Amino acid sequence: DGGITQSPKYLFRKEGQNVTLSCEQNLNHDAMYWYRQDPGQGLRLIYYSQIVNDFQKGDIAEGYSVSREKKESFPLTVTSAQKNPTAFYLCASANPRRGQNEKLFFGSGTQLSVL
Amino acid sequence: GESVGLHLPTLSVQEGDNSIINCAYSNSASDYFIWYKQESGKGPQFIIDIRSNMDKRQGQRVTVLLNKTVKHLSLQIAATQPGDSAVYFCAEIAASNTGKLIFGQGTTLQVKP
Repeated sequence: DGGITQSPKYLFRKEGQNVTLSCEQNLNHDAMYWYRQDPGQGLRLIYYSQIVNDFQKGDIAEGYSVSREKKESFPLTVTSAQKNPTAFYLCASANPRRGQNEKLFFGSGTQLSVL
Repeated sequence: GESVGLHLPTLSVQEGDNSIINCAYSNSASDYFIWYKQESGKGPQFIIDIRSNMDKRQGQRVTVLLNKTVKHLSLQIAATQPGDSAVYFCAEIAASNTGKLIFGQGTTLQVKP
């Protein structure tokens, strides 16, 4: 998976519970991203971080939170405010150089389901 | 607004034939495009990319064509194999929008033996 590790592979959330998805990369990439994928759909951006201690909301950030305390780690918390959390969550990283965009490397994903 | 779309949700081809997967985009400012392959239950895997200063790029058995005039991108797979069966996504990004890749809905490629 290109040096990006997501865990767990499967996660179940009870109503009203916050859960945290882990994403670690050893590619020394500056930028990290979280995407959500619903069945038969494309990927939608939740949050992204271009550098340590900084992150920005994506298109569907409501009900989610992130942190970027270390370069290699970008955990995603799905809060109880996210009323429809069941989806496949993908973490990615990239290393933009000289202002140019570069391809994203993806992890293997976490399938989150509601109990 | 920005959108990336694929012309067909499912493409079925015979093993050994060539496959062509199409993608339309609407943001004329997009300058970098990527094709990803996603197998069931896995993360997307990079196939090939192309920048807007090019109109064609070739990889191993794959070719990406970019037509900026009509904002159209295509992925050609030569001699399609059963292992090529997957969902294929095109994605675009504008230089002014660093880090925000916009994905299309995906085309499912089915390879018949």
